[in-house]
Amino acid sequence: QKEVEQDPGPLSVPEGAIVSLNCTYSNSAFQYFMWYRQYSRKGPELLMYTYSSGNKEDGRFTAQVDKSSKYISLFIRDSQPSDSATYLCAMNTGFQKLVFGTGTRLLVSP
Amino acid sequence: EAQVTQNPRYLITVTGKKLTVTCSQNMNHEYMSWYRQDPGLGLRQIYYSMNVEVTDKGDVPEGYKVSRKEKRNFPLILESPSPNQTSLYFCASRHNYGYTFGSGTRLTVV
Repeated sequence: QKEVEQDPGPLSVPEGAIVSLNCTYSNSAFQYFMWYRQYSRKGPELLMYTYSSGNKEDGRFTAQVDKSSKYISLFIRDSQPSDSATYLCAMNTGFQKLVFGTGTRLLVSP
Repeated sequence: EAQVTQNPRYLITVTGKKLTVTCSQNMNHEYMSWYRQDPGLGLRQIYYSMNVEVTDKGDVPEGYKVSRKEKRNFPLILESPSPNQTSLYFCASRHNYGYTFGSGTRLTVV
């Protein structure tokens, strides 16, 4: 079983929709949770960073962590075609290496 | 501009011909890492370096070498490339809230 599970998609939505992207994990020691966005032929770029449980909002993006369920989510409101990318969740215990999900490909159609 | 620079972006080589992928960061980060990204497997860590002259194996180190003679540079060396090393490679340096990735090197070994 992988430490981090993520549905590969693709997830296709119309412009303006609310998007929900999710990851589950098995290591209860994970404390730092991140979401990266990766455009085609580019490196991943950090989108959201959260520590421990709870919600964090940044513009149209909300990151949610539920440590009791070992489940994290990224919500995108008012999705735009420019949001079309692969979204990777990542997490670690602190100074150890990041463990990544395999990524969910999102397609937002105009 | 804070960045991680990898070269080359694309490389096609033949089995057994030694190659080096360069990586340089201008953020004075101590921690640097190499990942490979493969469909369905996500990002997997090859090697990492906590500081100058301090390197260690990640999850998939076989067939790779690294060196860290100065803080800004962290080259990845394939002494005798094989076709199973065909992949997309990313160098990254770590800051307080995650990693900054390079733009990637797409390597094909024939």
